[in-house]
Amino acid sequence: GAGVSQSPSNKVTEKGKDVELRCDPISGHTALYWYRQRLGQGLEFLIYFQGNSAPDKSGLPSDRFSAERTGESVSTLTIQRTQQEDSAVYLCASSLGRGVLAEQYFGPGTRLTVT
Amino acid sequence: LAKTTQPISMDSYEGQEVNITCSHNNIATNDYITWYQQFPSQGPRFIIQGYKTKVTNEVASLFIPADRKSSTLSLPRVSLSDTAVYYCLVGEISASKIIFGSGTRLSIRP
Repeated sequence: GAGVSQSPSNKVTEKGKDVELRCDPISGHTALYWYRQRLGQGLEFLIYFQGNSAPDKSGLPSDRFSAERTGESVSTLTIQRTQQEDSAVYLCASSLGRGVLAEQYFGPGTRLTVT
Repeated sequence: LAKTTQPISMDSYEGQEVNITCSHNNIATNDYITWYQQFPSQGPRFIIQGYKTKVTNEVASLFIPADRKSSTLSLPRVSLSDTAVYYCLVGEISASKIIFGSGTRLSIRP
């Protein structure tokens, strides 16, 4: 079946602009995760959604970052007033179960470049 | 969340067995240990998960000693295609955050 998809695959934006990244999870997966990965670095956890529960937003780097999810479907990660340090690959994953115990299936990522 | 420590990098040769150890001294009773593999320009992929003793699947084995303060991912007879970054995660089901850490960069040579 279809895996996790993310769009756009690449995004180049000017400093100060807003960007919206989209993630379509595997159908039926109740949990959805967002990560940031800077070049040559490990994954930085941002946020995760589990069903209709309110997400813990404390992992978001700043108040310029926000994330939404409609039910158990698509999620969007929005970065307002982008800065050069926001340049990274943004990875989305989904899982049937919850939390670190669940096998996460990752999308191909969105490469964001802020000029 | 239990903090994990892994070697930054490892080198090996094709056909060898590779063991990557992860330290997690403050692991909690309800924590499980999970390993992921990440190839360049791809998202991570789940490899194996365990709680104690030994777990084996078609890809790898995971050894966890009785005190659970460390774990070892064992890759039998590696090939060039096993060149990747390997991440050790520790946590329990109700965790609200997931820490991947910096991982171990494994390089396999012919």
